[in-house]
Amino acid sequence: AQKVTQAQTEISVVEKEDVTLDCVYETRDTTYYLFWYKQPPSGELVFLIRRNSFDEQNEISGRYSWNFQKSTSSFNFTITASQVVDSAVYFCALSEARAGGTSYGKLTFGQGTILTVHP
Amino acid sequence: DAGVTQSPTHLIKTRGQHVTLRCSPISGHKSVSWYQQVLGQGPQFIFQYYEKEERGRGNFPDRFSARQFPNYSSELNVNALLLGDSALYLCASSPLRQTLGDTQYFGPGTRLTVL
Repeated sequence: AQKVTQAQTEISVVEKEDVTLDCVYETRDTTYYLFWYKQPPSGELVFLIRRNSFDEQNEISGRYSWNFQKSTSSFNFTITASQVVDSAVYFCALSEARAGGTSYGKLTFGQGTILTVHP
Repeated sequence: DAGVTQSPTHLIKTRGQHVTLRCSPISGHKSVSWYQQVLGQGPQFIFQYYEKEERGRGNFPDRFSARQFPNYSSELNVNALLLGDSALYLCASSPLRQTLGDTQYFGPGTRLTVL
């Protein structure tokens, strides 16, 4: 079964600090996709990044960076120089592979990490 | 382009009632998925539809049903509501056919409260 664990329930930082959100996943599939979503207080999940299991290159997008390590089944997310607008709940998710011969895009989410950035 | 839209925004029902939630996908997206998010938890997969057919179903009772229309919009129906059905119901659309790893884009959700 697929499982995603975000061990950090809540993180609180002061503006301009760097912060890393941890994500550990479990899957028996050799082909899978990992995602990060941001959920601000409004409730809508905002897509941040998608990474496939064959691409272990780290990625940087502005103040955001992601570290994918297949050996430890981790896909961690770092925000550099955090800002108050980064305050939100962040979810890591895993895309399920084939089920009974038919693949479908079910996402398995972690419990989420509440990030609060104080001015 | 407009994103995923959902209606209504909020809904209050009493136990035993029935509810219908609606979702319109991003233009050009043919796949719609539904998720339930209970307060303090991550979203849980309920259904995925593509081309009006159910392509995936999560671990939810038969009280939950859905359908997709020719214009790719979708409805989620929940019968015999229980207090535990109170949650944020999220709809997501994706552009490609049930492809592994297809990015899903979420709507703002419908907040359902069951009293």
